[in-house]
Amino acid sequence: NAGVTQTPKFQVLKTGQSMTLQCAQDMNHNSMYWYRQDPGMGLRLIYYSASEGTTDKGEVPNGYNVSRLNKREFSLRLESAAPSQTSVYFCASSGLQGTSFYEQYFGPGTRLTVT
Amino acid sequence: KQEVTQIPAALSVPEGENLVLNCSFTDSAIYNLQWFRQDPGKGLTSLLLIQSSQREQTSGRLNASLDKSSGRSTLYIAASQPGDSATYLCASNYNTDKLIFGTGTRLQVFP
Repeated sequence: NAGVTQTPKFQVLKTGQSMTLQCAQDMNHNSMYWYRQDPGMGLRLIYYSASEGTTDKGEVPNGYNVSRLNKREFSLRLESAAPSQTSVYFCASSGLQGTSFYEQYFGPGTRLTVT
Repeated sequence: KQEVTQIPAALSVPEGENLVLNCSFTDSAIYNLQWFRQDPGKGLTSLLLIQSSQREQTSGRLNASLDKSSGRSTLYIAASQPGDSATYLCASNYNTDKLIFGTGTRLQVFP
């Protein structure tokens, strides 16, 4: 049981390049999330998906797109990377487990640098 | 606006001390509150989740309490150890899938 996995772990992009961050969970959770974490800003929600086939914007969606490929996988795409998108990106998932409503489980993160 | 605040931002204590980390939230209509631990360069690990109907949750040396009326939660760590050194984050939930995070308390426990 791997939990939440993310690839890649590290990435360096040049301004204007595109890339897709991959996330998968094996806990049969309905909901999945993408966050970014910046020093002094805490974690901010980029996009989330409450169920397969649905996605919604979070607090900071500009410059990103997402795809909920199936129940397990949720990808985040940067179409034209900008230095302001240098950050650590976390994927998370949640579902009902016993009486623990909406407890979120996080992946190890992707450290992205845009030069 | 729903906000979560954690004070202090950083804390350094000697091994063996009992300590309390604080978390405040602006909207008392909270559904649950979750405490996480984050080690440097790593992801978040869920420590405890307290539902709004509960007053506290315990796991080993950790005890988290929730007081909705005052908008506060505390994480109590008993007999701290150097291995407890990490950043501790709290996050509130308002009956949706979304969490609102504080900016964390960076804890260092020295031998």
